[in-house]
Amino acid sequence: GAGVSQSPSNKVTEKGKDVELRCDPISGHTALYWYRQRLGQGLEFLIYFQGNSAPDKSGLPSDRFSAERTGESVSTLTIQRTQQEDSAVYLCASSPGTGVAFFGQGTRLTVV
Amino acid sequence: RKEVEQDPGPFNVPEGATVAFNCTYSNSASQSFFWYRQDCRKEPKLLMSVYSSGNEDGRFTAQLNRASQYISLLIRDSKLSDSATYLCVVVSGGYNKLIFGAGTRLAVHP
Repeated sequence: GAGVSQSPSNKVTEKGKDVELRCDPISGHTALYWYRQRLGQGLEFLIYFQGNSAPDKSGLPSDRFSAERTGESVSTLTIQRTQQEDSAVYLCASSPGTGVAFFGQGTRLTVV
Repeated sequence: RKEVEQDPGPFNVPEGATVAFNCTYSNSASQSFFWYRQDCRKEPKLLMSVYSSGNEDGRFTAQLNRASQYISLLIRDSKLSDSATYLCVVVSGGYNKLIFGAGTRLAVHP
């Protein structure tokens, strides 16, 4: 596709369940970022990938959060044992490495 | 101290007004700077890059002051469609980590 694609666009899950969020970056983009944005708040950095490795995962809020990237392409963000405070929009962005990033439309996660 | 700080606003201005936002950053080794725009319930999108020499794109002018570690965005002749949150972005680190400010909200009214 032409842009960054995220799926699902919306996810409602019960507290305690695991969820997996997917990001398909722009083809050829080496860098990939995950951010979280709570309602009315700014972007919170979660993790950064350069290729398939993650040199910076300092933003992951707890060990319930993990992410991986394969084939220098698709990335998945997994949240285990979801809590209500995990409710937010999860945004993925990819970059060719210049510092300019292109965002997907996000996954809106609601934990009930 | 946050790495990138912005006045959250909101800035409420009438159409046609000139409005300016500032953003400060803490890492003097930061390499690149950008302004992004985020409309309500949408993803952020690149507005413009910021250079020390300043750059202009129509009604928008961005400026970087490395000595004082701040970035500015000037919007002239504001339009209703300029209403959005403006995010300051600083690129730092050996691997180009994008650090976003919390954003400044602009509301342009008739």
